[in-house]
Amino acid sequence: GENVEQHPSTLSVQEGDSAVIKCTYSDSASNYFPWYKQELGKRPQLIIDIRSNVGEKKDQRIAVTLNKTAKHFSLHITETQPEDSAVYFCAAIIGNEKLTFGTGTRLTIIP
Amino acid sequence: GAVVSQHPSRVICKSGTSVKIECRSLDFQATTMFWYRQFPKQSLMLMATSNEGSKATYEQGVEKDKFLINHASLTLSTLTVTSAHPEDSSFYICSAGGSPPYEQYFGPGTRLTVT
Repeated sequence: GENVEQHPSTLSVQEGDSAVIKCTYSDSASNYFPWYKQELGKRPQLIIDIRSNVGEKKDQRIAVTLNKTAKHFSLHITETQPEDSAVYFCAAIIGNEKLTFGTGTRLTIIP
Repeated sequence: GAVVSQHPSRVICKSGTSVKIECRSLDFQATTMFWYRQFPKQSLMLMATSNEGSKATYEQGVEKDKFLINHASLTLSTLTVTSAHPEDSSFYICSAGGSPPYEQYFGPGTRLTVT
């Protein structure tokens, strides 16, 4: 089955700086890689996703890059703001199968 | 985007009793729904895949007789935690996807506390 590793587990950055979270996956057949933001006690919210036929995708301050050869993908948040503080999860899916989540990164933005 | 609801949002029950959690897709039909469990400060762990009109598929280590799943319609899946114990206390979240099921829409979750 798929295995997804995520680093770091915690990350603190100064407001306005950039944050980068990295994930690796094990199954080369994985073809969809979403990123979720979860605030305490709430549901995960999809913030950006990328499919295996694309190397990079950007949406305002958020970007995701995918390296299929190395089997890793990263989330980049620029110009961080206090409201970016949350737990972020990467995930991978193979075809129509289930999502496998990473272990999560607790991001804290320091004002 | 699509909306998934869950009920109840929070439930407290006594050890040994059973609890039913409902997951509904409000504006789309879902032949497949997923049930996750999330312990504090941990990731979402898939418990089972709920298939409309057929038996659920459980992940390794999840007891199918303890976590009963019923997916009787295209908009409703239920998870029943039978003979609950304190260690079953957790945040239970369902999700449903579009077609193909790439983007998963999550329910708001149910906080279960077993005393």
